[in-house]
Amino acid sequence: EPEVTQTPSHQVTQMGQEVILRCVPISNHLYFYWYRQILGQKVEFLVSFYNNEISEKSEIFDDQFSVERPDGSNFTLKIRSTKLEDSAMYFCASSDPGGRGEAFFGQGTRLTVV
Amino acid sequence: LAKTTQPISMDSYEGQEVNITCSHNNIATNDYITWYQQFPSQGPRFIIQGYKTKVTNEVASLFIPADRKSSTLSLPRVSLSDTAVYYCLATSNDYKLSFGAGTTVTVRA
Repeated sequence: EPEVTQTPSHQVTQMGQEVILRCVPISNHLYFYWYRQILGQKVEFLVSFYNNEISEKSEIFDDQFSVERPDGSNFTLKIRSTKLEDSAMYFCASSDPGGRGEAFFGQGTRLTVV
Repeated sequence: LAKTTQPISMDSYEGQEVNITCSHNNIATNDYITWYQQFPSQGPRFIIQGYKTKVTNEVASLFIPADRKSSTLSLPRVSLSDTAVYYCLATSNDYKLSFGAGTTVTVRA
């Protein structure tokens, strides 16, 4: 069964450092997403990406965040200057057109900012 | 997207059927009802989706009455491995998913 893969599974970084979280979506999907989940809280939407551009972003997704699809397979989330409150699980997801809410999520990257 | 309301938690025992009811009084005509499952430290996983009446797959059944103001996810004969958080979402073609707190289902031996 095709799956969304994320690397690394766990990243520890110092406050103020830049991090890049990587994702390989399912190959024939066209919509890509990043979500995050702070420990003990709900899954929060960050950004959706379609046709090489951001289609929607939440208020969490401020200027510190950016996304990129550098090649035909990878989808990345960059946090420019990490803060303690960025510590969370970050999930990448992908879906195909007409999915009406059926998205496939990766296993997540646990980001710890110290 | 319509707001959904579901119980915070439910307890069950192995072999029982678990029914989780979700309210969505303001569901839009274009919205589907979609359920996800999430295990600790894992990403959400799509379980089932429906628009009206009953949908069944190898994991669960979803019952949606004619007025579509509520829906019930039914997990038959649960096992310990079904312990997870279950999310009810109203979804449409705008693709963004809005997760609430979900229902934490705990299955005991």
